[in-house]
Amino acid sequence: EAGVTQFPSHSVIEKGQTVTLRCDPISGHDNLYWYRRVMGKEIKFLLHFVKESKQDESGMPNNRFLAERTGGTYSTLKVQPAELEDSGVYFCASSRAVGTYEQYFGPGTRLTVT
Amino acid sequence: GNSVTQMEGPVTLSEEAFLTINCTYTATGYPSLFWYVQYPGEGLQLLLKATKADDKGSNKGFEATYRKETTSFHLEKGSVQVSDSAVYFCALSDGTGNQFYFGTGTSLTVIP
Repeated sequence: EAGVTQFPSHSVIEKGQTVTLRCDPISGHDNLYWYRRVMGKEIKFLLHFVKESKQDESGMPNNRFLAERTGGTYSTLKVQPAELEDSGVYFCASSRAVGTYEQYFGPGTRLTVT
Repeated sequence: GNSVTQMEGPVTLSEEAFLTINCTYTATGYPSLFWYVQYPGEGLQLLLKATKADDKGSNKGFEATYRKETTSFHLEKGSVQVSDSAVYFCALSDGTGNQFYFGTGTSLTVIP
């Protein structure tokens, strides 16, 4: 079974530019999550999709962040325009169900905004 | 609210030393507790979990016991190896499934 994949692995952009991160969850996993780790701090929740619907987006920092999940498969996270404080590692995770079930994480995308 | 507090790193140990990484939590309700590990260049992998009080999770020689009375889930290993060098994250799920709450991570380096 293929794991969660993320693209790109690393992105360096200038302040004010736009970046789109992509996540492909494990096949058959309806639940998809985005998290972010900034500057060696804790990993923080951004949002949760169930299939193509946003179940919880309480962790999205502001309206410069837009997440979509087309057809309930892969997901994209767009940052527009990027700010310096958006730098960090963005993780995607998926799970078959919620509750005590394990979330399977991708390797992350390291975003550097200069 | 929910939160996880994890001991600060980095931690450097000699091979075969005993490892403890402290983790305490604050949660509403009855959370499940997890330890995730991130090896260099890889994503987070589940190391072990416990879903109720007094449960002990174990894997690859690592153990952690869910202690409700002390709200703790400390990670231990009796004899670490160089291959255990990684970043370890303590996490909780409050059972609703919407999100995990993570600690700040503890970087472990094991030297031969």
